[in-house]
Amino acid sequence: DAKTTQPTSMDCAEGRAANLPCNHSTISGNEYVYWYRQIHSQGPQYIIHGLKNNETNEMASLIITEDRKSSTLILPHATLRDTAVYYCIVPNDNYGQNFVFGPGTRLSVLP
Amino acid sequence: EAQVTQNPRYLITVTGKKLTVTCSQNMNHEYMSWYRQDPGLGLRQIYYSMNVEVTDKGDVPEGYKVSRKEKRNFPLILESPSPNQTSLYFCASSSWTSGTYTDTQYFGPGTRLTVL
Repeated sequence: DAKTTQPTSMDCAEGRAANLPCNHSTISGNEYVYWYRQIHSQGPQYIIHGLKNNETNEMASLIITEDRKSSTLILPHATLRDTAVYYCIVPNDNYGQNFVFGPGTRLSVLP
Repeated sequence: EAQVTQNPRYLITVTGKKLTVTCSQNMNHEYMSWYRQDPGLGLRQIYYSMNVEVTDKGDVPEGYKVSRKEKRNFPLILESPSPNQTSLYFCASSSWTSGTYTDTQYFGPGTRLTVL
């Protein structure tokens, strides 16, 4: 089973920030949080990952709470092409590679 | 261009007819894995390989075989396909460094398999 829970769906206006929450209350100290997205039935695409500190790259920002039990993915200026299913993942194995993808959050960016 | 390729992209077959789905990556990644995606169940790992000649079962390995004779290739074999193996299959690869869990996975475009 997935170690994370996310809202089923969210809407966001084009050009506004999209904030996607994720709960991972059972995360252990050395487990990373990964975010991927899947557009239609294409292969999942990596977005960002983090351990403790907040992270930012060209696609998004990741805010992790101090207790690490939840995180938020931020798309600063959502576009129509960001419409996708977003997955928050904590790997299920000691190698950090067995990704169990839950249902994710279906983000709809509206014009 | 760094990529993971899968072939075929679409396949319709009949019960019991052996088939192989190929997966190849050009990034010299050590780690490769196979997932299947089914409606309402998300992606689930079938098999994975830490390196050449090293493979292990994932969460749903029944009915599948894999081999890793070369670093770049990781074929998925269905010896006797059944209708419950109708699914969307993804291959993934990553560069895994012992002791760290920071490496991202790169996914292929998917293979949609229908078993009649």
